[in-house]
Amino acid sequence: AQSVTQLDSHVSVSEGTPVLLRCNYSSSYSPSLFWYVQHPNKGLQLLLKYTSAATLVKGINGFEAEFKKSETSFHLTKPSAHMSDAAEYFCVVSDIDQAGTALIFGKGTTLSVSS
Amino acid sequence: GAVVSQHPSRVICKSGTSVKIECRSLDFQATTMFWYRQFPKKSLMLMATSNEGSKATYEQGVEKDKFLINHASLTLSTLTVTSAHPEDSSFYICSARDYKQVLNEQYFGPGTRLTVT
Repeated sequence: AQSVTQLDSHVSVSEGTPVLLRCNYSSSYSPSLFWYVQHPNKGLQLLLKYTSAATLVKGINGFEAEFKKSETSFHLTKPSAHMSDAAEYFCVVSDIDQAGTALIFGKGTTLSVSS
Repeated sequence: GAVVSQHPSRVICKSGTSVKIECRSLDFQATTMFWYRQFPKKSLMLMATSNEGSKATYEQGVEKDKFLINHASLTLSTLTVTSAHPEDSSFYICSARDYKQVLNEQYFGPGTRLTVT
């Protein structure tokens, strides 16, 4: 069975400082892993995805994530936070070989950015 | 890129009435679509998996007679909330998978805010 745990429900940073949003996963198969961002009252936007290619994945808006199989982690980072990064972030797992199966969402991490 | 639309974006209805929400894949064909529900400040909860031309598969605890799903074509799935009650008020999000893709990436619609008064 698959699962995903986002270790922090809320992260607060100052503008210009690094961002780290933590995610651990559990999967019986080779996982696909995703990070989505959701701004208030908006839909989901894909930030980046891991699909068994390079372990360091670069996404949009300066975000990146590193797949670490030994630690079963897929943490999201950004070197310098911007006010517009304030949003809800979801770590998501799916079985790479199970096409058509649903995505499993973490509970989300709220990122606050102060000036 | 792949685009999924939802209509309406927000709807207010009276208790006891039914509401239909459409989910369309605009530039790809989707054999599988998914319907999620999101409560305020909560994560997405999968309600059902919709496969084109067949019956939807509902998650445990989701009433299939209340949340009717139809996936009549490769680009359209509909969710009908029947006899809506205030507790059905929520943010409903659909996603679609491009059948040409091997990998399980899904594209999300912008969501529909349902308010039942």
